[in-house]
Amino acid sequence: AQKVTQAQTEISVVEKEDVTLDCVYETRDTTYYLFWYKQPPSGELVFLIRRNSFDEQNEISGRYSWNFQKSTSSFNFTITASQVVDSAVYFCALSPQGGSEKLVFGKGTKLTVNP
Amino acid sequence: ETGVTQTPRHLVMGMTNKKSLKCEQHLGHNAMYWYKQSAKKPLELMFVYSLEERVENNSVPSRFSPECPNSSHLFLHLHTLQPEDSALYLCASSQAFLIGTTHTEAFFGQGTRLTVV
Repeated sequence: AQKVTQAQTEISVVEKEDVTLDCVYETRDTTYYLFWYKQPPSGELVFLIRRNSFDEQNEISGRYSWNFQKSTSSFNFTITASQVVDSAVYFCALSPQGGSEKLVFGKGTKLTVNP
Repeated sequence: ETGVTQTPRHLVMGMTNKKSLKCEQHLGHNAMYWYKQSAKKPLELMFVYSLEERVENNSVPSRFSPECPNSSHLFLHLHTLQPEDSALYLCASSQAFLIGTTHTEAFFGQGTRLTVV
């Protein structure tokens, strides 16, 4: 069975602080894909990243970076120099294949960035 | 036009009513999904349509009935709902996962906030 755990329910930081959102997953598949989505107050989930299980290189996109550690089954997300606009709920998700047809989501982490 | 559009944005219905949620995507995708998002629960995948065929139905009560008339439109028909069905219902679309497909991430609508009274 697939499972995604986001242990941090809520995080509150002050603008310009760095913040890391944790994601731990469970799967018996040797091939799988991991995703991060952002859900701002408007409701829609916004896709941030997709990684496959064979690619453990860390990825950086602007102020966002992701650390994939297969040995600890973790796929953590760091926001550097956080901004108020980063306030949202962030979801980590797992799929046993490359598509979105069998996505399993974590419960999400609510991030509040205060000015 | 935004990528995935859901209507209505808010819906209040009685337990004996029949209503439908609508989702439309303008992204040329061939897979569409319904998710239920309740407070303090993970997003629950309800239904998946891939290439206009239903491929996933995760033990959803029969009071929820999906319909996918074509690859751009998805409906969720509701009847005799219970108060615990109150939630945010999210529609999403993506390219179906086929050999050679690279970008298969899902794009979501803003959801319909459903309240059952």
